[in-house]
Amino acid sequence: AQSVAQPEDQVNVAEGNPLTVKCTYSVSGNPYLFWYVQYPNRGLQFLLKYITGDNLVKGSYGFEAEFNKSQTSFHLKKPSALVSDSALYFCAFGAGSARQLTFGSGTQLTVLP
Amino acid sequence: DAGVTQSPTHLIKTRGQHVTLRCSPISGHKSVSWYQQVLGQGPQFIFQYYEKEERGRGNFPDRFSARQFPNYSSELNVNALLLGDSALYLCASSSEPSRGTQYFGPGTRLLVL
Repeated sequence: AQSVAQPEDQVNVAEGNPLTVKCTYSVSGNPYLFWYVQYPNRGLQFLLKYITGDNLVKGSYGFEAEFNKSQTSFHLKKPSALVSDSALYFCAFGAGSARQLTFGSGTQLTVLP
Repeated sequence: DAGVTQSPTHLIKTRGQHVTLRCSPISGHKSVSWYQQVLGQGPQFIFQYYEKEERGRGNFPDRFSARQFPNYSSELNVNALLLGDSALYLCASSSEPSRGTQYFGPGTRLLVL
């Protein structure tokens, strides 16, 4: 079955340090890949997406992600973490379109002051 | 511009009852999708509607139904509620169903007792 996996339930990083939230995918064809962030008692906020083209995607709030076809990964990165980045992050894919998104299990990011 | 709006924000029902959740998309967006997010999990796709027609359906029982109105707002209906239907129900809108980014509302938190 096609899926995305977020191997880490929890990631802790010190403020000012670079952060990485991992996502790997198992999708046939050309995947549409997304990152969303969820703050407590809130809906999902869109960060960035990869459909085609440049493998390095830049998104909102200084986040970026790199599509790596050989490693089937789409890790989310930020050069310098902020305490306000602490939230639940979801990787998602659409199989050949942005129509029906399948989400990973989420990674709780905590940025320590 | 207003984002996706959902009503009500919270709802408490008892087993066997029926519930209707409402969603208004971002102005100009014609596609609406519904997702269920159970506590501790990623959202799961329920339905997508575009131009009042169902364009996709996830693996949910027939107790779940939805419709889209001429103004592109949408309703999600759930009949014969079960305890397991307790979740955050998220609505997302996009400009078009295949390639448009889905933007999420704040959700309706449903508790079934």
